[in-house]
Amino acid sequence: DAGVIQSPRHEVTEMGQEVTLRCKPISGHDYLFWYRQTMMRGLELLIYFNNNVPIDDSGMPEDRFSAKMPNASFSTLKIQPSEPRDSAVYFCASSPHREAAQHFGDGTRLSIL
Amino acid sequence: AQSVTQLGSHVSVSEGALVLLRCNYSSSVPPYLFWYVQYPNQGLQLLLKYTSAATLVKGINGFEAEFKKSETSFHLTKPSAHMSDAAEYFCAVNFYNQGGKLIFGQGTELSVKP
Repeated sequence: DAGVIQSPRHEVTEMGQEVTLRCKPISGHDYLFWYRQTMMRGLELLIYFNNNVPIDDSGMPEDRFSAKMPNASFSTLKIQPSEPRDSAVYFCASSPHREAAQHFGDGTRLSIL
Repeated sequence: AQSVTQLGSHVSVSEGALVLLRCNYSSSVPPYLFWYVQYPNQGLQLLLKYTSAATLVKGINGFEAEFKKSETSFHLTKPSAHMSDAAEYFCAVNFYNQGGKLIFGQGTELSVKP
């Protein structure tokens, strides 16, 4: 079975550029989560969706970050404009229901120069 | 406030020795509990989960964890460490009133010495 698929795996871009991270959850999973991992702050939940609807975006750091889920099989996390402090590994995860374990993608390693 | 605490950011054991990674949570209602492992440059992989069935949960790669309600703990153990167990381990908790969100501990990096 295909797991959670994230793209790109690596992204290097210059400060001020728009960055778009993509995620395809496991088919049939109703929940989708976006996390950010850094050495300083560990693993942080940014936003999560249930049935394509954003439920909690309290972890989104600021207005430069936005996330969408136009359908059950695709989600994007966008940063515009990007800043060096956004450099991190971004993970997407999905789960079939609220009590279930989350399944993680391999992450996108983002470097903002 | 609901929280998850992993004692020890770094644990080092010898190959063949017992592995014990500690996790405590704060909640008056037993939540759902998980352990994840992260190898370098990879995502998090589920090791095991507690969902109110048996208090001793067996997971992959020989790991197990015991839920102790009185101690609000969910420590991870493995009788005999292998070199391939070296990784970062995260305890995570799904509190009932959090709508499916996972609260992660800070992580424990496990080193295995030959």
